[in-house]
Amino acid sequence: QQQVKQSPQSLIVQKGGISIINCAYENTAFDYFPWYQQFPGKGPALLIAIRPDVSEKKEGRFTISFNKSAKQFSLHIMDSQPGDSATYFCAARVSGSRLTFGEGTQLTVNP
Amino acid sequence: GAVVSQHPSWVICKSGTSVKIECRSLDFQATTMFWYRQFPKQSLMLMATSNEGSKATYEQGVEKDKFLINHASLTLSTLTVTSAHPEDSSFYICSARRWEPAYNEQFFGPGTRLTVL
Repeated sequence: QQQVKQSPQSLIVQKGGISIINCAYENTAFDYFPWYQQFPGKGPALLIAIRPDVSEKKEGRFTISFNKSAKQFSLHIMDSQPGDSATYFCAARVSGSRLTFGEGTQLTVNP
Repeated sequence: GAVVSQHPSWVICKSGTSVKIECRSLDFQATTMFWYRQFPKQSLMLMATSNEGSKATYEQGVEKDKFLINHASLTLSTLTVTSAHPEDSSFYICSARRWEPAYNEQFFGPGTRLTVL
């Protein structure tokens, strides 16, 4: 019940395209859903996060869509750029507890 | 704001020696710090959670006598890998959570690459 399932494992997108990464969870007690971006040899960096009382959150080219009834949330990267090439992790957490991470998606944006 | 640093960024040591990794929250106080281990092309694996002034809580399967964690202050936590062996080679990442309830966010350090020869 603590798992977060992430897909796809890898994704290749052309420059200017939309990158979409999906996550699904089982634990309905999760109340915080962040996305992290990680470049090779670096630690993860918080990209954007959402709470379950909101269905969508947008920050620049990055949007989280949240479907509480389906227990799914996704990251959309608009106008994808080669500099967005990285590994993306979704995560979920019950307030005050530890993060549960997805398996990660390796995104490659071709020029 | 919300910067977490780690030192060293990489370390190479001989088998049987001990290595200490420092994690600092530079511009905020962290009541809780986390230590993760990450293998190539894999997700982050939580090793332990530490709260300032108390003993760390280790995840199942993590040897507490091998991976010593000390959370000495609200801005510093250390991970000591004792009697390191080649299988301990990995990327170790710390994370700190701000104490203010309104934030509830977790910030990660840049990681430490440990290679045991």
